[in-house]
Amino acid sequence: DTGVSQDPRHKITKRGQNVTFRCDPISEHNRLYWYRQTLGQGPEFLTYFQNEAQLEKSRLLSDRFSAERPKGSFSTLEIQRTEQGDSAMYLCASSSSMGNTEAFFGQGTRLTVV
Amino acid sequence: GNSVTQMEGPVTLSEEAFLTINCTYTATGYPSLFWYVQYPGEGLQLLLKATKADDKGSNKGFEATYRKETTSFHLEKGSVQVSDSAVYFCALSEGYGSGGSNYKLTFGKGTLLTVNP
Repeated sequence: DTGVSQDPRHKITKRGQNVTFRCDPISEHNRLYWYRQTLGQGPEFLTYFQNEAQLEKSRLLSDRFSAERPKGSFSTLEIQRTEQGDSAMYLCASSSSMGNTEAFFGQGTRLTVV
Repeated sequence: GNSVTQMEGPVTLSEEAFLTINCTYTATGYPSLFWYVQYPGEGLQLLLKATKADDKGSNKGFEATYRKETTSFHLEKGSVQVSDSAVYFCALSEGYGSGGSNYKLTFGKGTLLTVNP
């Protein structure tokens, strides 16, 4: 296993378009997290899954954002009707609920809305 | 709510200099504390952690001690190298160590460290 994988690495889209990002966690990890990082800031929590259940969503996750993890493996994050303020790095992390294991982060998807 | 405040950067040092990056936190409970590092072009990596008061986390020559009385978790290294150039993030989690709770992290803004030869 090579770690947490995110696709695409970069996405440029026009304002108003929909975009979807994919995250493949480490295979034995049942927890999956999405964070957003804007320039000069630390990552901010967006949402968290344990297996296929979405257990927590941040206030940052507006109605235009939706995340899924249909089979408890990979996850998708969709942004509808993108706005320039959505431009950021979207980070995915995964961890295991068995013991106190750390979360491993992917390299992120950088979204630019023009 | 929870928050993390860390030293503003950028920090520029010469090789073999002593490094301190300050970090203080606000939390309602008893959080676990972390330092993450982000090397250019790479994802966030856990550098070290401490799960209770007076614990010292250490890795790759870096150290940080969990100080509950001052709500601090300052990162130190005695002799930095050019390869330590990166962005360093202090973070906390109230879920880690709670047996079944999630690992949601609250991060500081990050401190860019540049080490010159």
